[in-house]
This record gives sequence, structure tokens and C-alpha cells, in this order.
Amino acid sequence: DVKVTQSSRYLVKRTGEKVFLECVQDMDHENMFWYRQDPGLGLRLIYFSYDVKMKEKGDIPEGYSVSREKKERFSLILESASTNQTSMYLCASTPDAGGELFFGEGSRLTVL
Amino acid sequence: GEDVEQSLFLSVREGDSSVINCTYTDSSSTYLYWYKQEPGAGLQLLTYIFSNMDMKQDQRLTVLLNKKDKHLSLRIADTQTGDSAIYFCAVSFSGGYNKLIFGAGTRLAVHP
Repeated sequence: DVKVTQSSRYLVKRTGEKVFLECVQDMDHENMFWYRQDPGLGLRLIYFSYDVKMKEKGDIPEGYSVSREKKERFSLILESASTNQTSMYLCASTPDAGGELFFGEGSRLTVL
Repeated sequence: GEDVEQSLFLSVREGDSSVINCTYTDSSSTYLYWYKQEPGAGLQLLTYIFSNMDMKQDQRLTVLLNKKDKHLSLRIADTQTGDSAIYFCAVSFSGGYNKLIFGAGTRLAVHP
């Protein structure tokens, strides 16, 4: 079974802190994604990566950056967390553009 | 721009059929997906349909696509309490995941 693991299920941070959200997949997928999920808004794409050291902005990249140093790991970074970044963050991976997206269980971030 | 809309809530009685509807704005869709999110979990692919198809059936699930009206529906026959979840419609507008737009999600509540 494909497994996408997000290291932190729940985080509480203070405004201005730097936040790292880690995601690891074990199926050698080329493509990895970070989404943000908010009630009534569905999922919105923050960043995605089609290859190691490659990254592309999604629909809402402002306030976020990413890192993909190894194929299996895709990290989301909040350089200076703000309260409007309180949300559920979902990582996903897929072997190809038309295939199934495999999601992690999500990281719920609260910024105080 | 592209948009995908769903009603936010649906309540059905156990054993009845559930129909979850989705509309989208752009006719250049290629793949259309239904994902299910159970409480505390990430999303899982339920089923998908190519834009050149009108219907797809998979056990209790029936997907109907009306391209003229840009309307997608998911019918769950003999709905069970285990079907209680949030169902997301997602539309790929160019075949790539950088253009996969999710609806807000429909919360299905199944009561005895």
C-alpha cells in the first residue's frame, strides 16, 4: 500500500515562528503536492513538485515556501507564521499527472 | 477562472440512496474525480470518470456526467452509516494536477 506520512498531526505555534511541515512518501512517486483545506473552501494548492529540487507555485503560495531535496520528502515551510495560516495542511503524491492522488492524514496547524 | 461548486450538507436515512451533485464552470475538463474524507483522515479516491464518458458504475457507486450542463453527480445506493464522510468533487482542467480544482466538499450524514 502507498503510504504518505505527515510527521505532525497537530501543531500549535505563535505568530512569527518558523514552521516546518514534513511529508514523506514510500512509493517513489515523482509528483508531490501541498494543499490547504479550509471549511467551505475545499482544497487549495499551495505548491507542487514534479522532481527533486523542482518546485512550482500553486494557487496560494504567498507566505509559504517548499523544499524537495530528496524524491521521497517534500517539506512545507512557513517562514513567519500568521494567524490566517491556521488551517489543515494536506500532502499528496502521485506517480503521474492523470493518476490517483494519495493523501497523508493531514497536519492541523493553529497559529496563536 | 475555473470553479467547482457543491452543496455543503446532505442528510439521508440509512438504506436510502444518496445523490451528491457538483457543477463546474469550464468545459475543457479532462478527468473528474470523487474523493472521500473520513473524520481525522486524508482524502481517498472513490472513483473517477473521463470527460468522454457519460456514466460509470462501480458496485454501489454511480457517477453521471452531463457535459452540456457541466454537472457531475455521485449516487451511493443503499447508503450505510460507514458512508458518513465529506465527499469532494475535483475536476482536472488540463490533465495535470497543477490544474486540479476541488469543490468545497459535501458532508454526508447518514441517520438510522
